[in-house]
Amino acid sequence: DGGITQSPKYLFRKEGQNVTLSCEQNLNHDAMYWYRQDPGQGLRLIYYSQIVNDFQKGDIAEGYSVSREKKESFPLTVTSAQKNPTAFYLCASNPGRVNGSPLHFGNGTRLTVT
Amino acid sequence: QKEVEQNSGPLSVPEGAIASLNCTYSDRGSQSFFWYRQYSGKSPELIMFIYSNGDKEDGRFTAQLNKASQYVSLLIRDSQPSDSATYLCAATTGGFKTIFGAGTRLFVKA
Repeated sequence: DGGITQSPKYLFRKEGQNVTLSCEQNLNHDAMYWYRQDPGQGLRLIYYSQIVNDFQKGDIAEGYSVSREKKESFPLTVTSAQKNPTAFYLCASNPGRVNGSPLHFGNGTRLTVT
Repeated sequence: QKEVEQNSGPLSVPEGAIASLNCTYSDRGSQSFFWYRQYSGKSPELIMFIYSNGDKEDGRFTAQLNKASQYVSLLIRDSQPSDSATYLCAATTGGFKTIFGAGTRLFVKA
């Protein structure tokens, strides 16, 4: 079955450590996205990529980095510069060739930093 | 900053009633609009999308779009307890970006 796989489901880190969240899709989608969700809030866009080897900052990119070396993969690194990293992180994708396609979401990674 | 605004609720309706969820958006250039349902601790799942002014129906769900008023709504007919969730309104903006409202919590009482 096609879909988006995020791993791990839960992640615990100490403050000051970088951590990388995995996102893999087998939907043959060109575009991939990272969102962050805090309790009681909507989704905020961190980074997005329309094509391999290219990505753009979203609304809250500070303290995060991404890479897009393969079409299937879009890992997110939460660096120690991110002031409040504890959140629910969602990876999404869509075909990207047509503006306005719905997003397909992975199951998310819940990151806790203490 | 482009925004999507929703009433956070909670909205409480009895089983079998119609639930009406509303949202407004600030970017007049937005072309595509979506409603996602999110259960607690889970990822969002697409319920409806709408691109043109007017109504779009799919089963118990009807999405309504009024671009002149920059207003999107979702009606859920014959509400069921399993519809209890947070409903996220979203719109495309600035090309391929999709922005989300904060969500409306819906409770359907049996």
